[in-house]
Amino acid sequence: QSALAQPASVSGSLGEPITISCTGTSSDIGGFNSVSWYQQHPGKAPKLLIYDVTDRPSGVSNRFSGSKSGNTASLAISGLQADDEADYYCSSYSRSSTLKIFGGGTKLTVL
Amino acid sequence: EAQLQQSGAEVKKPGESLRISCRGSGYTFSNHWIGWVRQMPGRGLEWVGIIYPGDSETRYSPSFQGHVTISADKSISTAYLHWNTLKASDTAMYYCAYDTLGYCSATSCPLVFDHWGQGTLVTVSS
Repeated sequence: QSALAQPASVSGSLGEPITISCTGTSSDIGGFNSVSWYQQHPGKAPKLLIYDVTDRPSGVSNRFSGSKSGNTASLAISGLQADDEADYYCSSYSRSSTLKIFGGGTKLTVL
Repeated sequence: EAQLQQSGAEVKKPGESLRISCRGSGYTFSNHWIGWVRQMPGRGLEWVGIIYPGDSETRYSPSFQGHVTISADKSISTAYLHWNTLKASDTAMYYCAYDTLGYCSATSCPLVFDHWGQGTLVTVSS
C-alpha cells in the first residue's frame, strides 16, 4: 500500500483537460513544497514533469501544470493528446521517511 | 548530452549474487546524487536508495536496507546496485536516476531526479 493515494485510472477525451490527484498527509504533501510528478510510457523510464509542486523542468510542455491544496497535490493536463496516454506518479518528501515517497500511480487513458 | 547508461538485462537463480551498473556521462558525476528505483512487473515505483558519488554517502529505504548495497566509483563515473543473495521477489526493472534540481542535507532530502537511465531488467528464477 503506497503512502500517497492516487486514483488507479482516469480517462479523458482528446483536446479536453484532465486532473490527477495525489493525497497524502500533513507529514508529507501538506507539510512541504516538495511534490514531483513523473510520466511513464509503457516500457520506458519515468520522465520528470513537475517538481517543487509547480515548477516545470526545461523542455516539458506548458500543458502540464501542478498545484497543491492542503494535503492534496494535483497534476493538470490541458488539451489532451494521444501521447499523454501513460502512467503518472506523484512523489513527495516525507518527514517520516529517509527518502521521498511515491504514489501508487494513475493510468491515463485518452479516448 | 548528459545521460545515464545502465548495464544489460540479467537472468539469475535464487541465492546467486549480482551487481548492476549505471554509468554517467556528459556531467560532473561526483557532484550529483544518484538514486536507484525498483519497479516490479505491473507495479509502481519504489525508491531503493541513494548515493552521493563525491563521498559515497549512502541512504537506503527501510524496505531494502540490509538486502542490497549501493556503491559508486567516481573515477569511472559509475554507480552500482549489488545483491549478495537474490530472491525471486527481486525480479523487477531497476532504474538509476540523478538529480540536478534538489538537495540533500543531514535532516531532509527532497531530491528531484530529473535524468533517468534506460533501466536494467533483473529476472530471478530457478
